Amino acid sequence: DQQVKQNSPSLSVQEGRISILNCDYTNSMFDYFLWYKKYPAEGPTFLISISSIKDKNEDGRFTVFLNKSAKHLSLHIVPSQPGDSAVYFCAASVHTGKLIFGQGTTLQVKP
Amino acid sequence: GAGVSQSPRYKVAKRGQDVALRCDPISGHVSLFWYQQALGQGPEFLTYFQNEAQLDKSGLPSDRFFAERPEGSVSTLKIQRTQQEDSAVYLCASNPGGDQPQHFGDGTRLSIL
Repeated sequence: DQQVKQNSPSLSVQEGRISILNCDYTNSMFDYFLWYKKYPAEGPTFLISISSIKDKNEDGRFTVFLNKSAKHLSLHIVPSQPGDSAVYFCAASVHTGKLIFGQGTTLQVKP
Repeated sequence: GAGVSQSPRYKVAKRGQDVALRCDPISGHVSLFWYQQALGQGPEFLTYFQNEAQLDKSGLPSDRFFAERPEGSVSTLKIQRTQQEDSAVYLCASNPGGDQPQHFGDGTRLSIL
């Protein structure tokens, strides 16, 4: 039972355009959501988080949106840069405990 | 360094051998987590410590897997009588506790021959 799903295995965008990565979840008890970025042979690097009391959180070029009624999370990167090319994981937890991860989306930003 | 440190980075073992993987969390971080990541998948939770107390071990796949954190800092994940299906990247993460993100090490890639 996959509680966190990233249905797009890959995404390709042009440099300077917006990248939108999506994530769906099934467990309504999740109250904390995070996005991580991962380069090959490295551990996941924390990008941005949002708690369930908010519907938007912004940090520089990265914005996370949470739609609790739809159980949907998205990460917007504007403008996209070639260095953003990586695998992006969304993750969710209950009371900031163990993280449940999606399968990841590989983002390629073309110069 | 200031990050989570894991060793060894790579480990090759023969089926049936025991292995031990080490995690050195960020100094002062109360919470420590272990995850297993299979190729092409997201990390999957194994176990969680708060200081030296193991509060959740629901993700450990079998009784061959054992984790400890005796002094509330460094943690060791031990796998006994390794099987081929144990081949994966083992990730360790820590956080100060509360509503703080987990910070990950670079993992140990375990290959069982």
